[in-house]
Amino acid sequence: EAQVTQNPRYLITVTGKKLTVTCSQNMNHEYMSWYRQDPGLGLRQIYYSMNVEVTDKGDVPEGYKVSRKEKRNFPLILESPSPNQTSLYFCASSLLTGVNEQFFGPGTRLTVL
Amino acid sequence: QQQVKQSPQSLIVQKGGISIINCAYENTAFDYFPWYQQFPGKGPALLIAIRPDVSEKKEGRFTISFNKSAKQFSLHIMDSQPGDSATYFCAALASSGGYQKVTFGIGTKLQVIP
Repeated sequence: EAQVTQNPRYLITVTGKKLTVTCSQNMNHEYMSWYRQDPGLGLRQIYYSMNVEVTDKGDVPEGYKVSRKEKRNFPLILESPSPNQTSLYFCASSLLTGVNEQFFGPGTRLTVL
Repeated sequence: QQQVKQSPQSLIVQKGGISIINCAYENTAFDYFPWYQQFPGKGPALLIAIRPDVSEKKEGRFTISFNKSAKQFSLHIMDSQPGDSATYFCAALASSGGYQKVTFGIGTKLQVIP
């Protein structure tokens, strides 16, 4: 089954404790992206990647890091989480050509205390 | 700075009625305008999309109307059903050379009441 998986689905942590949210897709998509969803603000792009070793900032990259060492994986790293990073995070992937359809993962609900 | 402005934020429509959600953009480099549908507890899923070389695109009960000169586009849901109750996001991106940044609207929570 074609899908985007994220882990963990739910995470409660404390300020300053480094964490990684993993994202993996099995569709051989070149493009991958991370978004955060907050009430009243919609979906905002954090980082995106056009291919392996190619990443770039979205609209809200501060406090986040990403890496793309393999085509299928695109982890989101919070080196020192803060309470304002409490949010619902989505990973998405798509092809770079043809129909521009992003496939979203199920989301990760992160709470930073 | 909100590059894609979406309204209304919430919408209540009776079953069988027409739901209309509007979006406006500023960046003339945008050349692809998708709409995503999100049910509670799920990730968004592509519903329908349009490029600015056409003024309208219809798929079943869902229609996008696009006004390039006004830099506006809208989603119309005909014969709205309770199963359409979800949050809808418009989006815009500049896809030349492969797509890069994607900008979403803030979302519209649609409730279709029986």
